[in-house]
Amino acid sequence: NAGVTQTPKFQVLKTGQSMTLQCAQDMNHNSMYWYRQDPGMGLRLIYYSASEGTTDKGEVPNGYNVSRLNKREFSLRLESAAPSQTSVYFCASSVDWSSYNSPLHFGNGTRLTVT
Amino acid sequence: AQSVAQPEDQVNVAEGNPLTVKCTYSVSGNPYLFWYVQYPNRGLQFLLKYITGDNLVKGSYGFEAEFNKSQTSFHLKKPSALVSDSALYFCAVRDSPGGSYIPTFGRGTSLIVHP
Repeated sequence: NAGVTQTPKFQVLKTGQSMTLQCAQDMNHNSMYWYRQDPGMGLRLIYYSASEGTTDKGEVPNGYNVSRLNKREFSLRLESAAPSQTSVYFCASSVDWSSYNSPLHFGNGTRLTVT
Repeated sequence: AQSVAQPEDQVNVAEGNPLTVKCTYSVSGNPYLFWYVQYPNRGLQFLLKYITGDNLVKGSYGFEAEFNKSQTSFHLKKPSALVSDSALYFCAVRDSPGGSYIPTFGRGTSLIVHP
């Protein structure tokens, strides 16, 4: 099993450009998440999808949109990139968001630089 | 509200020596606690979890963690460190019942094992 797959691995954007980060999981998980990781800030939740057809804002949703395309795929879109969005983005999934004892499974990240 | 703190940004230990990475938490109900490890340029990987029961939890790669309810701590330990254990370690917590289904992550502790 591939687990959680993120594309692309690296991306450089100019301010104002748009892009979509793709994420797919093959573990039949119901819940999916998007985090960003910045030095000294740990992981911050951007958006999550408790189940197919639902999405909710996390801690830092401004400047982002998401789409839960189907049970497997959860994409993150930057409509107009800003330098403050330079970060490493991680997608994660879990069996079910209400399952307290289920760990998250993470992809290997997308390293985004906005100039 | 649930929160977690990792009081050390960095821990240095010599290979072969025991290691401890500290984590303290705050919850209203019962804690569900997790440790994750992140190797360079990779996503987070689940190491171990505490749900209930035995206060000493064993996980992957020889790691274990000790749950202490009175001190609200969940420290990660390993009897003999390896250079390959050098990585970033994250503690996470969920609060049940009534807390957030979304885990709260600490800011991470960089473990450096010296040869």
